[in-house]
Amino acid sequence: DIQMTQSPSSLSASVGDRVTITCRASQTFKNFLNWYQQKPGKAPKLLIYTTSTLESGVPSRFSGSGSGTDFTLTISSLQPEDFATYYCQQTYSAPHTFGQGTKLEIK
Amino acid sequence: QVQLQQSGPGLVKPSQTLSLTCAISGDSVSSNSAAWNWIRQSPSRGLEWLGRTYYRSKWFFDYDVAVRGRIVINPDTSKNQFSLRLESVTPEDTAVYFCARAKFTSAWYDYWGQGTLVTVSS
Repeated sequence: DIQMTQSPSSLSASVGDRVTITCRASQTFKNFLNWYQQKPGKAPKLLIYTTSTLESGVPSRFSGSGSGTDFTLTISSLQPEDFATYYCQQTYSAPHTFGQGTKLEIK
Repeated sequence: QVQLQQSGPGLVKPSQTLSLTCAISGDSVSSNSAAWNWIRQSPSRGLEWLGRTYYRSKWFFDYDVAVRGRIVINPDTSKNQFSLRLESVTPEDTAVYFCARAKFTSAWYDYWGQGTLVTVSS
């Protein structure tokens, strides 16, 4: 199984800040790295797929990058609605494993 | 627009079977490209992929090793839905369960059900 490790597990930031969340895989794979946003009581919402492709309707302040085993999600200028928990997921091979999540909180 | 609507009981007794259904609209469970997944989420285990089914001239099933032997995912083409059965449940199976569509077998999960909290308790 490919293990996904996210860091940090929590993060305090202010509106307007630039934040970066990192996801490291236990083995290298190509491309199939996805990012989701989850708010309390809701299903995860797809933000970015195949490392860097923005899902339709997702604001351009969200971006993704990376390759091999190291991937990042960047939010260029935090908005109030961005405070949530973020998860990475690999769909390169089954089981499709998720990171443990990064909770983004208001400072 | 694809929609996934989950149904099933929120309380299951230990040693019994958890059963949930995910009804699909806007796509087909027999799609030759999509894959249909079950995922659960608990504070202790985070988001945990349980398994999937997909159709490529025949039906395929993949299950996570942690639940293999207890899990069955079953497509129902007559109702355009798929179901999850998890047998011999324990309190550790208490979680919010989600169904989700992947546009193809290695794809991202673009549509999710609303989630069902299932509590295992006597």
